Amino acid sequence: KQEVTQIPAALSVPEGENLVLNCSFTDSAIYNLQWFRQDPGKGLTSLLLIQSSQREQTSGRLNASLDKSSGRSTLYIAASQPGDSATYLCAPGDSGNTPLVFGKGTRLSVIA
Amino acid sequence: DAGVTQSPTHLIKTRGQQVTLRCSPKSGHDTVSWYQQALGQGPQFIFQYYEEEERQRGNFPDRFSGHQFPNYSSELNVNALLLGDSALYLCASSSGATYGYTFGSGTRLTVV
Repeated sequence: KQEVTQIPAALSVPEGENLVLNCSFTDSAIYNLQWFRQDPGKGLTSLLLIQSSQREQTSGRLNASLDKSSGRSTLYIAASQPGDSATYLCAPGDSGNTPLVFGKGTRLSVIA
Repeated sequence: DAGVTQSPTHLIKTRGQQVTLRCSPKSGHDTVSWYQQALGQGPQFIFQYYEEEERQRGNFPDRFSGHQFPNYSSELNVNALLLGDSALYLCASSSGATYGYTFGSGTRLTVV
């Protein structure tokens, strides 16, 4: 059974700082991994999707890496802004339409 | 291109009542999954529908049931509501594993 852990649980940084969010998962036989952002009380917004054959994906100031064999992924946010404040969730995916499994996420606060 | 649409946005029900939540998937997606998210927790998988059949189910009681229509839209029904059913209910659509999942904005259910 897949289990997901995200560290740290919460993070507060000053604006402009670069930061790294960590995600670990127990079953490395994954098909891909998705990073999501969730604003309070809202739905999940997909940020990046990394296929198991890829090492990383980039979108603007976001860069996600995947080390499938060690069961780890990181989300790097460059030059953080107050608008980046949200909860970030990672979800490894299996092949087909196997349901996503989530951890509790990392709650990020970027202070102006 | 509309993403995943959920209705209603908010709902208040009394213990023992029944509720129906609705979801329209993203255009081109044929699979709908439902998740329950309690405050401060990651989303928990309820069930998934494909070709109008329940394909997979998480660890939720039979009070939780669903349906998928020929146009791929879906409903989540919860009977005999309990206070503990208060949560954000998320719908996600997908079409195979390659392109990941798209989530809706959620329905906030409060049981009083």
